[in-house]
Amino acid sequence: DAGITQSPRHKVTETGTPVTLRCHQTENHRYMYWYRQDPGHGLRLIHYSYGVKDTDKGEVSDGYSVSRSKTEDFLLTLESATSSQTSVYFCAISESRQGAKSGYTFGSGTRLTVV
Amino acid sequence: AQTVTQSQPEMSVQEAETVTLSCTYDTSENNYYLFWYKQPPSRQMILVIRQEAYKQQNATENRFSVNFQKAAKSFSLKISDSQLGDTAMYFCAFFSLNRDDKIIFGKGTRLHILP
Repeated sequence: DAGITQSPRHKVTETGTPVTLRCHQTENHRYMYWYRQDPGHGLRLIHYSYGVKDTDKGEVSDGYSVSRSKTEDFLLTLESATSSQTSVYFCAISESRQGAKSGYTFGSGTRLTVV
Repeated sequence: AQTVTQSQPEMSVQEAETVTLSCTYDTSENNYYLFWYKQPPSRQMILVIRQEAYKQQNATENRFSVNFQKAAKSFSLKISDSQLGDTAMYFCAFFSLNRDDKIIFGKGTRLHILP
């Protein structure tokens, strides 16, 4: 979607290697989110950020870390990738906490395969 | 904790027919927002329709409408005159300003429109 991009779009990596996914937005939105999508589980929140250097955990945060050094960038890092982290990862943005009542804007997703 | 349940993992319907996707949720809040998102094979997450809980009138967007039953905590999506392009995964979602910083998603219903 215009205003939010994720990179890479696809990635295959080996078990035990570090992986960083990037979310970049040009909307100057305060809130950014990382979700993972798995069959039978829907979308589950990994981490989110409510401002530069302000982050919090979601329901499936184990094995993931995040960083937000600039408003526009939110990075998701898998320190040591495992096969259970094979998934589609979505970034989403919201202007504010209030803004979430209008719904999120999503990126196009990153399909990550850990072999 | 808020939960969102979609009881139909998969559905199929003939083109031009009407189909209803079910969603129930659990909350103790009185002021909240409900959403239906569409995810076509392109993987993009698209907001289809949104309902504010304090509004009794059901939301409508062209061929998409909802049946919002607040007392029953039910939020179904009706697609009229279904088209092949409606083939997608559909997610029901919930947000409460008083509770969380995040939108909670159901597990999704995969809808197939058959020619």
